[in-house]
Amino acid sequence: GAGVSQSPRYKVTKRGQDVALRCDPISGHVSLYWYRQALGQGPEFLTYFNYEAQQDKSGLPNDRFSAERPEGSISTLTIQRTEQRDSAMYRCASSSSGGVLTQYFGPGTRLLVL
Amino acid sequence: TQLLEQSPQFLSIQEGENLTVYCNSSSVFSSLQWYRQEPGEGPVLLVTVVTGGEVKKLKRLTFQFGDARKDSSLHITAAQTGDTGLYLCAGGTDSGYALNFGKGTSLLVTP
Repeated sequence: GAGVSQSPRYKVTKRGQDVALRCDPISGHVSLYWYRQALGQGPEFLTYFNYEAQQDKSGLPNDRFSAERPEGSISTLTIQRTEQRDSAMYRCASSSSGGVLTQYFGPGTRLLVL
Repeated sequence: TQLLEQSPQFLSIQEGENLTVYCNSSSVFSSLQWYRQEPGEGPVLLVTVVTGGEVKKLKRLTFQFGDARKDSSLHITAAQTGDTGLYLCAGGTDSGYALNFGKGTSLLVTP
């Protein structure tokens, strides 16, 4: 695709439910990143994939959060047993190499946990 | 986590004025990026600086990377209403790949 896409764009769920957020990176980009962004703040790193390998998950807040990228393209961020504090904008980014330079961000998924 | 402090947090100016926003850290970064984010959109990369003392110009925007690669500044000349947005700096490290973002400077340019 022309850019990074994410779905759904908005997700409202009840506390305790599981949610799955999807990221479709730019075609051919080997690196994929997940960030969480609070309103008016900068993105906070969650996890990073190089192809299908999850190279770093140190930013995941706790074990309710997990991510996968089984075929090295589309990635899913899953939050189990959601809590109200999980409400945020979840952003995905991709880059053409494993380097930091030029990450392209998606539009994000706005998650609201009631 | 290497912290990046951005200042000011908020800035409201009139069209035609000049402004400078700052990004400071106690840590050394291999590269530093500036992003601009509009409401409802993801951050969009403006520039990457990698060499200490480097200055890059992008039309009315001038970016500088400190000699010690710990700080950076963004100067906007003759601001326009279209410059309104959240300006984020992000540092990259030699050993890492994730970006450490500052909290951003929210800029409002009024007519």
